[in-house]
Amino acid sequence: DSGVTQTPKHLITATGQRVTLRCSPRSGDLSVYWYQQSLDQGLQFLIQYYNGEERAKGNILERFSAQQFPDLHSELNLSSLELGDSALYFCASSVDGQGRQPQHFGDGTRLSIL
Amino acid sequence: GENVEQHPSTLSVQEGDSAVIKCTYSDSASNYFPWYKQELGKGPQLIIDIRSNVGEKKDQRIAVTLNKTAKHFSLHITETQPEDSAVYFCAASIGGENRDDKIIFGKGTRLHILP
Repeated sequence: DSGVTQTPKHLITATGQRVTLRCSPRSGDLSVYWYQQSLDQGLQFLIQYYNGEERAKGNILERFSAQQFPDLHSELNLSSLELGDSALYFCASSVDGQGRQPQHFGDGTRLSIL
Repeated sequence: GENVEQHPSTLSVQEGDSAVIKCTYSDSASNYFPWYKQELGKGPQLIIDIRSNVGEKKDQRIAVTLNKTAKHFSLHITETQPEDSAVYFCAASIGGENRDDKIIFGKGTRLHILP
């Protein structure tokens, strides 16, 4: 158990809809990272938050947004969903914000767009 | 650009034999190299990591080697067991001393342990 909790485990929705994915980091970790993993693809970095502030941005679409709350949990919002957004979305947390400490991953949210 | 190449994409080895997965990176300033194992239906799990001031690190049946000159690092699994079957990802930090690093992942190696 990594200590990172992601909910829900599965989401099924339709094109054009909006969903929110939630992540609770390990106790003591201040950074949260979001990744997208499509079928047979590697991990694509989306965005990082550190202690409530956006720290780094990767290949995140404008239709996607995230935030980190004062209790350090994070939410990833995906809107105007398209078929191609179907993927596994992982959250990871680490103690630092500089990317030099291990990241610990949750078990992901599987998003299916019908 | 920033890149981590991982080979092979698929690897099948007989149970009890060794498995080696290799990665190369492009940023000579990279100084942190974690390896992750992803089992079906799970998130990636950190199994070992190495920093640039060390050439080799071992943890039971797993070892990682780093060649900074050649900018490549490898994962070695000895005496493979069925539970080693999974997808393995290498990663490297990209960045510098005065700014935040980011971790770039390889595309993964699907390891099959054959009975």
